[in-house]
Amino acid sequence: DIQMTQSPSSLSASIGDRVSISCRASQTIGGYVNWYQQQTGKAPKLLIYAASTLQSGVPSRFSGSGSGTDYTLTISSLQPEDFATYFCQQSHTFPDTFGQGTRVDIK
Amino acid sequence: QVHLQESGPRLVKPSETLSLTCTISGGSLNNYYWSWIRQSPGGRLEWIGYVYSSGSTRYNPALESRVTISVDTARNQIYLTLRSVAATDSAVYFCARDRRRFTAYFDSWGQGTLVAVSS
Repeated sequence: DIQMTQSPSSLSASIGDRVSISCRASQTIGGYVNWYQQQTGKAPKLLIYAASTLQSGVPSRFSGSGSGTDYTLTISSLQPEDFATYFCQQSHTFPDTFGQGTRVDIK
Repeated sequence: QVHLQESGPRLVKPSETLSLTCTISGGSLNNYYWSWIRQSPGGRLEWIGYVYSSGSTRYNPALESRVTISVDTARNQIYLTLRSVAATDSAVYFCARDRRRFTAYFDSWGQGTLVAVSS
């Protein structure tokens, strides 16, 4: 299976900060990466699919980039509702696999 | 806006069978893939498998020998059966709509149901 490794595992940030979360795949995944946000006790919510396509209804402060094995989720200006855990997922190679998550909390 | 709701027993004994139902409302089950995904107490997400509205399935090889996913289009429901469970199967189980064409992503999720495996 393809291993997805996120970094950092957690970070502390302030409202208005620019935040970037990385996801590295154990082999090239050709842009087949998606990003999810999970609030405590809730289901994951799709933010970005196919590396950089913003899901309908998701604020434009979220963006995705990357290629090959390295991908990044960026939040341009952190808002109070963005404190959550973020997961990447690859769908390039069966079976789909997820990163271990990055927790974003308040500094 | 499609809505998914998982239901089923919250407690299953070791070696027994876990059975969950996902009821879909606000949209058609037809012409979509539907996946089951679980999240361990430590937070790790694991894709279990999918069913297409036609009934075709594909499973994670790590679980394939114990898993069955099925669909009832008349009831707008999908089902998960996991046999011979152990404590390591304790998790929150989610059903999700699976947009599996040229790529694959999960764009609608149920709230999840916590299942504990314990005697």
